[in-house]
Amino acid sequence: NAGVTQTPKFQVLKTGQSMTLQCAQDMNHNSMYWYRQDPGMGLRLIYYSASEGTTDKGEVPNGYNVSRLNKREFSLRLESAAPSQTSVYFCASSRVLETQYFGPGTRLLVL
Amino acid sequence: AQSVTQPDIHITVSEGASLELRCNYSYGATPYLFWYVQSPGQGLQLLLKYFSGDTLVQGIKGFEAEFKRSQSSFNLRKPSVHWSDAAEYFCAVGDGAGGTSYGKLTFGQGTILTVHP
Repeated sequence: NAGVTQTPKFQVLKTGQSMTLQCAQDMNHNSMYWYRQDPGMGLRLIYYSASEGTTDKGEVPNGYNVSRLNKREFSLRLESAAPSQTSVYFCASSRVLETQYFGPGTRLLVL
Repeated sequence: AQSVTQPDIHITVSEGASLELRCNYSYGATPYLFWYVQSPGQGLQLLLKYFSGDTLVQGIKGFEAEFKRSQSSFNLRKPSVHWSDAAEYFCAVGDGAGGTSYGKLTFGQGTILTVHP
């Protein structure tokens, strides 16, 4: 039982490049979330998926897209990376209205 | 909209001393409340949670927190801090029963705990 896994662990991009962050959970959770963490700002919700087949915007969705590929997987895509998207990205999953379990994070640097 | 304030950005305590980390929230209905801990370079680990019932909740690693509705607070406490408790601590509020935000969490800014030997 690996919990929530994220790939890659670390990535460097140039401005304008695209990339997809992958997240998978093996806890049979319905809901999945993407957050970004920036110093002094806590974690802010980018997008979430309450259940398979649905996605909704969170607090800071601009510049991102998501895909809920199936119940296990929830990916985050940056179409044209900007330096302001330099951050640590966390994926989380939960049963609806219950505790969220977090992955180890992806550190992204956009030059 | 829900919000969370952690007034202390950085706290330093001596090993063996007691600890209290403050958390104030703003939420219109019955909240779900959480404390998470993050060690450097790691993900977030749940310390404890309050959903309903007893307002004093016990968590892992000897931590406890008390929900005070009248003060909109959910402060985290530990009677005797260990050097391994040095980390960043996050308070979070989520939709409680009857909410429609599907468990979305709002996090505070975090409190960094330094422990001196």
